[in-house]
Amino acid sequence: NAGVTQTPKFQVLKTGQSMTLQCAQDMNHNSMYWYRQDPGMGLRLIYYSASEGTTDKGEVPNGYNVSRLNKREFSLRLESAAPSQTSVYFCASSDFGRNYGYTFGSGTRLTVV
Amino acid sequence: ILNVEQSPQSLHVQEGDSTNFTCSFPSSNFYALHWYRWETAKSPEALFVMTLNGDEKKKGRISATLNTKEGYSYLYIKGSQPEDSATYLCAFIGFTGGTSYGKLTFGQGTILTVHP
Repeated sequence: NAGVTQTPKFQVLKTGQSMTLQCAQDMNHNSMYWYRQDPGMGLRLIYYSASEGTTDKGEVPNGYNVSRLNKREFSLRLESAAPSQTSVYFCASSDFGRNYGYTFGSGTRLTVV
Repeated sequence: ILNVEQSPQSLHVQEGDSTNFTCSFPSSNFYALHWYRWETAKSPEALFVMTLNGDEKKKGRISATLNTKEGYSYLYIKGSQPEDSATYLCAFIGFTGGTSYGKLTFGQGTILTVHP
């Protein structure tokens, strides 16, 4: 049981380049999330998808777009990367309801130069 | 933006010591409070999901309590071991109206180092 799988694990981009971070979960969870983690800032929500077919902005959505491709997959796209987007990105998934914790992927370390 | 505060920011203890840290969160519109353990170079793992005022949860040597009326939760580790070294995150979810609820808002974490 793989849980939440993120690709790639590491990436270096030049300013202005674009890329898509991929996330897939095999737990049949309804909700999926993208967080970024920066020193001293904790985990901050970028976008989430409460269920297949829906997406909503989180706390820090500027510069990002997302696609909930199907129930399993939720991708995060940087259209024109900026150095401020250098961060570690985590995808997570959860089921509906108040009794379920989130399951996190292993993270993508992105550096924009 | 919701305010979820954790204290202390970091903690160094000796093997065998018992320790505790605090998470404070908004006392209104409470839905759930999560605790996660985050080891270096790994991803956060859920420890506890707490939903009711007065909840007490336990997993081995780690336990947590919840007070939703005053907006705090404590995490306790009894007889700390070096393998307990990690960042411990709490995260809050609040009701947003009707039966709707928001998303996890994380505190900045408490970094625990247990020295042999």
